[in-house]
Amino acid sequence: AAGVIQSPRHLIKEKRETATLKCYPIPRHDTVYWYQQGPGQDPQFLISFYEKMQSDKGSIPDRFSAQQFSDYHSELNMSSLELGDSALYFCASSLGLQTKETQYFGPGTRLLVL
Amino acid sequence: KQEVTQIPAALSVPEGENLVLNCSFTDSAIYNLQWFRQDPGKGLTSLLLIQSSQREQTSGRLNASLDKSSGRSTLYIAASQPGDSATYLCAVQGGSEKLVFGKGTKLTVNP
Repeated sequence: AAGVIQSPRHLIKEKRETATLKCYPIPRHDTVYWYQQGPGQDPQFLISFYEKMQSDKGSIPDRFSAQQFSDYHSELNMSSLELGDSALYFCASSLGLQTKETQYFGPGTRLLVL
Repeated sequence: KQEVTQIPAALSVPEGENLVLNCSFTDSAIYNLQWFRQDPGKGLTSLLLIQSSQREQTSGRLNASLDKSSGRSTLYIAASQPGDSATYLCAVQGGSEKLVFGKGTKLTVNP
């Protein structure tokens, strides 16, 4: 079965650079969530989209922005990168905003900021 | 603000043992609770999803229970195997769609 696809899987950037992470949800899923997991930490919710509209917002820095496109894929744009942004970034998708649905997680993008 | 706590933080058991992982949450107004498995440096694999109206879910050697009123869930693993070694995360979904995670229990099953 098709799963959530994230690209790239690994990314190395310098401080103050920008990065773009991409997420392709499971076919027919219209809801996308972004989470950040720092080293040794639990995943923290960043932002979510439903039908191309932002549906919820968590602890996402102002330096980050995200959007969901017409094909339901999503991109997380990160600017002015800081060392503390080094983390594993997960995308998850689900069908609708129904709370009965499981969120399916992608393999993550590991970002290292030097 | 919802807070999720998992005890113990780490657990080491010999192969074949049955074990219980604990999860507690502060706000009982949840829609569902999920248990995930995470291997080192890898993604999150959903193991079991329990709706707020349910008491338990079973999948193979795994059984998860939910006591919403007391804010507790347990994950029972029967006949543990070395391949079960991983970090197990509990997450709850409340009024919004986001998941709030605990810090996980790192399980090591020794051959």
